[in-house]
Amino acid sequence: GAGVSQSPSNKVTEKGKDVELRCDPISGHTALYWYRQSLGQGLEFLIYFQGNSAPDKSGLPSDRFSAERTGGSVSTLTIQRTQQEDSAVYLCASSRLAGRGYTDTQYFGPGTRLTVL
Amino acid sequence: DQQVKQNSPSLSVQEGRISILNCDYTNSMFDYFLWYKKYPAEGPTFLISISSIKDKNEDGRFTVFLNKSAKHLSLHIVPSQPGDSAVYFCAASASYGNQFYFGTGTSLTVIP
Repeated sequence: GAGVSQSPSNKVTEKGKDVELRCDPISGHTALYWYRQSLGQGLEFLIYFQGNSAPDKSGLPSDRFSAERTGGSVSTLTIQRTQQEDSAVYLCASSRLAGRGYTDTQYFGPGTRLTVL
Repeated sequence: DQQVKQNSPSLSVQEGRISILNCDYTNSMFDYFLWYKKYPAEGPTFLISISSIKDKNEDGRFTVFLNKSAKHLSLHIVPSQPGDSAVYFCAASASYGNQFYFGTGTSLTVIP
């Protein structure tokens, strides 16, 4: 079946504007993760969804960042009042199962490259 | 605070030789480790994993070694092929949580 898809692939925005990034996980995958990769940095965990709930929001860098997931499927990451330091590639990943004591292989989407001017 | 470190940002090897990519971690609670491969403009793809109950896992040309006492893991690719040229990330997780910690990646170039 289809893999994880993300849209848009590229987004250029002006400082102060809001942006929405979308992730479509693999059908049936319970867990969904958002990461970002800034230039020269490793992947940085942002948030994790189990179904529609987000038990772990610890990675969100500020209150300008929020995410939701509806129907246990599509997820949207919203960044309000974007800043230049938000420029990065935002990656989404999904996995079949997740939970305490269990880890499962994550399948990544191609990412959204966000540039804040 | 980087809990997973890949200290070599780049590596070049000749085709047919062995590629060894290294990864160090600081958190002794980590017990599940993965390697991902990433081509430009694509998301990372899973390569191989190992849990802390093992010290070696092999899949074709790829072998991951885990040294828990040294908090070190390595990925061996034998023989290396030009198609292996990519950025390789290692990642770690503790079974008590769902967060994965990634290294900064090592860019491997296999020279034909």
